[in-house]
Amino acid sequence: GQQLNQSPQSMFIQEGEDVSMNCTSSSIFNTWLWYKQDPGEGPVLLIALYKAGELTSNGRLTAQFGITRKDSFLNISASIPSDVGIYFCAGLLYGGSQGNLIFGKGTKLSVKP
Amino acid sequence: DTGVSQNPRHKITKRGQNVTFRCDPISEHNRLYWYRQTLGQGPEFLTYFQNEAQLEKSRLLSDRFSAERPKGSFSTLEIQRTEQGDSAMYLCASSWGVGELFFGEGSRLTVL
Repeated sequence: GQQLNQSPQSMFIQEGEDVSMNCTSSSIFNTWLWYKQDPGEGPVLLIALYKAGELTSNGRLTAQFGITRKDSFLNISASIPSDVGIYFCAGLLYGGSQGNLIFGKGTKLSVKP
Repeated sequence: DTGVSQNPRHKITKRGQNVTFRCDPISEHNRLYWYRQTLGQGPEFLTYFQNEAQLEKSRLLSDRFSAERPKGSFSTLEIQRTEQGDSAMYLCASSWGVGELFFGEGSRLTVL
């Protein structure tokens, strides 16, 4: 099946640091969504992107829909402890199912000890 | 709370038993989705409805799985003759049209 390569798999943050993560694929996507999931909970939608090149912010979060439509990135500025969790990228394939959102494997954000 | 609601949140069952999960979507949303998530993985698509019509089913949805949305509002996902491999978090989501899916808190199934 289609895959989204999400990186890094995990990272440690110190409060106040900026964080970057990205998602790439060999296929073209119509829509990119970024979610955050806490343990035992469902994913929470952070940002939705619909056009190539689109740059969208939600508070300290900024995400971009890559020009090639095969990638997306998410930045978190000035991280705080509650940013800890697992971040998933997800996309709707161009010409594909309108219901089958394809997810990456997630980037786990933890706090540096 | 006007978000997506799922119950039960947790279900422990013995192999071979049937289980049913319920999802109540956001009221103005016409689309409802079921996904499955196992540890360390992202959610995987199972099926989705537009109103009461089931528009697509994944290969993951074996014949032991059945989903319904009888009046285009709430939905149920039933798993018959559960197997240990069915242990997972079952996530429901809803949306208005194509695009932004809003997920519920999930129903965690453990099959002993």
